[in-house]
This record gives sequence, C-alpha cells and structure tokens, in this order.
Amino acid sequence: QSALTQPASVSGSPGQSITISCTGTSSDIGGYNYVSWYQQHPGKAPKLLIYDVSNRPSGFFSNRFSGSKSGNTASLTISGLQPDDEADYYCGSYTSSTTLVFGGGTKLTVL
Amino acid sequence: QVQLQESGPGLVKPSETLSLTCTVSGDSISNYYWSWIRQPPGKGLEWVGYIYYSGSTSYNPSLKSRVTISLDTSKTQFSLKLSSVTAADTAVYYCARGSYYYGSGTYYNNWYFDLWGRGTLVTVSS
Repeated sequence: QSALTQPASVSGSPGQSITISCTGTSSDIGGYNYVSWYQQHPGKAPKLLIYDVSNRPSGFFSNRFSGSKSGNTASLTISGLQPDDEADYYCGSYTSSTTLVFGGGTKLTVL
Repeated sequence: QVQLQESGPGLVKPSETLSLTCTVSGDSISNYYWSWIRQPPGKGLEWVGYIYYSGSTSYNPSLKSRVTISLDTSKTQFSLKLSSVTAADTAVYYCARGSYYYGSGTYYNNWYFDLWGRGTLVTVSS
C-alpha cells in the first residue's frame, strides 16, 4: 500500500491560518470517512487531533484545529497559529484492504 | 489514567527476531483494537498491524510475512514479533490503542489511535 501524499512542509505566522492536505485514492480517503490526523512534537509520541474526518477528541485540542474531506483529499486547517503548533502532522486513513495507511508527514513551521 | 508502556531489547542483530511487549495499565483490554506503529529515524509513521481483544489480527501487507502480534489478556499485555530483521527495521516502535464503535450487536474498528505509548527505539545492528 502506498503512503498518502502530504506536503513536506508548510509555514505560517502567528495568528494566521494554514491548511495541510492529504491526498489518497478512492480505495482509502475517497472511499471511507475513517480519516484521522495526529500532531507530533520532536521526540514525543503522536497525539490524536482529528478522527472520522472532522471530529475532535473531547478535552484535548481547541477548536482551532478542524478537518474536512473532498473526494480523495483530506485537509487539516489550523487557525490562529501559535508557536506551540510547530510540529509534524500526519494523516491516516482506513483502506479497502482492511489496513491503515499514514501520510508521509508535514512539518509545520511557525515563523 | 490509562497508560501504555513498551518494553523490550533496544538492540537486535540482523536476521534475528525483534520482540516487544506493550503493557496496558489503568483500563481493561477488552473491546479495543491494539496496534503497533513504527517510525524510522527522521521518517514518517508506518502502521505495522493490530490485534483485537478477541484475537483477530490485521497486518501491513509489506510486513505480513514477518509479523506476529499476540495478546495476553490476563496480563493486559500485547506483543510484537518481527522476524528476519534488517537495518531497515530500525525504528521507534509505538504501541497504540485503537478506538471502536458499537453497532448492531458488534464492535467495529474505528481506525484511529486515541492513546499512544512513549515509544521505544530498536536498532538492528551486528
């Protein structure tokens, strides 16, 4: 199975909004609503940000993080960028082979 | 508070079998899907596979011939064995809890990970 496609890096200034895309196929992102997003700071384990395309886990992250999907591409939007948002972000999706595939990861730099 | 903790050798020789255990504390192991996920140094995440508390499994096709994930419910632990390792298997290995939803009398995998261990680095080298 091939990894989902994410941009290697994105950047933004504090207070701005950014969007990270995650592109797959009709056999994964396009076929199911099992898309999740994870935030990973250096040397730390990933943390769940978004599940089922657009749902936020209760009590963990603010509503500055939102998810969406159109066709074979899912997106993560972070509004009101803060310095602590600087991290790596990964998308994940269920596949028609009853497996899970991750994206290659996107490094977010807050300028 | 539920916690996951990986344990096992940090160094494995090429061609040997990598063995790791994840201990779940603070909650039952029932109904959840328990996964292993790895991350080579400086690279992205790769899903290795999962085991459901009933014992059913699913593995990454690229690793399927070498992977076995097992569960010990009495000890609330699950384990990973990866055979015939090479340097390409050097990575931080995470154990993670996969969420589920209940419908029509059945528990279904929700295919996301809401709880992760801290990870353990395994290096394959002679």
